[in-house]
This record gives sequence, structure tokens and C-alpha cells, in this order.
Amino acid sequence: EAQLVESGGGLVQPGGSLRLSCVASGFSLSSYWMTWVRQGPGKGLEWVANINEDASKIYYVDSVKGRFTISRDNAKNSLYLQMNSLRDEDTAVYYCSRGIYSSTSYWGQGTLVTVSS
Amino acid sequence: QSVLTQPPSVSAAPGQKVTISCSGSSFNIGGNSVSWYQQLPGTAPKIVIYDNDKRPSGIPDRFSASKSGTTATLGISGLQAGDEADYYCGTWDNKLSAGVFGGGSKLTVL
Repeated sequence: EAQLVESGGGLVQPGGSLRLSCVASGFSLSSYWMTWVRQGPGKGLEWVANINEDASKIYYVDSVKGRFTISRDNAKNSLYLQMNSLRDEDTAVYYCSRGIYSSTSYWGQGTLVTVSS
Repeated sequence: QSVLTQPPSVSAAPGQKVTISCSGSSFNIGGNSVSWYQQLPGTAPKIVIYDNDKRPSGIPDRFSASKSGTTATLGISGLQAGDEADYYCGTWDNKLSAGVFGGGSKLTVL
């Protein structure tokens, strides 16, 4: 059975950094586009970034460009999100998802990032 | 302000049908396939419609969807209490070169 498990969330001060990880099991990450989506407290879904199968195509939402970096290690079946210069408005549950627009779309349970002093 | 516009809330009685609209532009809905996601309280989103009108395996045929121009619509018939959730539309935006979601619609089964 496919499973995505996010980790790395926590409390960080404004201007700080965090690295989120998403480990896949039950399938090969190398076959899928992967996406990070976040959801602020009481808010809707916000698409953050995605990366294609061999990391040759990467896209970001404008609000995180220059601060966040998405990457993957297919050998480790893992997806990452390096988040620098964190702001209060980055506070959210961060979900990783495979094939977000496909019939095989699957989401992890999310990891909470809280940016606060 | 979301790129895609959905009604904040919709409601209907058990057994009835409800529709949720998702309005965009030629850069997103008008030029790309639309997906719909169900988010039950306290859980991760789950896709219920992909490619405008297709249901993934395991999604009941009570869920249907269509797209016309720059508007997509999700329909849920035979409403059940378990359908109470937030529903989001999503697609790619060619101008932004990014994914976009609607603001979400909270479905209440009366």
C-alpha cells in the first residue's frame, strides 16, 4: 500500500530555517511528479512547489521563490523542502503529494510548521 | 484571494444533490484539466475527480463533474452525512507556471 510520511516540522523563529522530508513507501517515487501543498490554520489549500521525476523541472509559487527549495532523492525514495527566511505567514501544515492531478494522486498526513517568536 | 473562485459554503438535505462551481480563466481552467479534492475534518485531502470528469478507483458514481470554458462544476448526488467536508478545485496555471486551488467550499448536509 502506498504511503507518504512527512517529517521535519516544528516551531521556528521568524528568519529561521527548516528542512521537511517526505518518505515514500509502497511505490517508487521516481515514477511521479511530486508536490508540496500547505494549509494555514483555518485556511484553504495553497500549492507551494513541484518537481518532476528526474528533477529537471521545478516550479514554485511566487511567495516562496528564493526562500524555499524543493528537491528529491529517488534512491532514498524521498522528497524534501528546504525552507529558509521563514515568515509568520509560512505557518501551515505542509503536505507532500504524488501525482496531484492524476488518478493515482496520494497525499501524506502532513507536518506542522509554526513560525513564531 | 484565490486564483480560482468557489462559493464558501453549500448545503443540501440528505439524499439531495448539490453542485459546487469553480471559476477561473483561460490561463488555468480554460487551458488545463481540473481536479477536485475532498478534505474531511482533520484529514489530508483526497482526490475525487481528475481530468475534469473522471473518478479514481473507489470514488462512488454519486460524484460527477464537468467543465465548460473557464468554469468547472462538481456534483454530489444522494448526499450522505459522510460527505460533509471541504471541497477544493485545482489545476495548473500557465501564466503563473504554478498550481492553483480554489478557496474551498464547505459542504453541509442538513
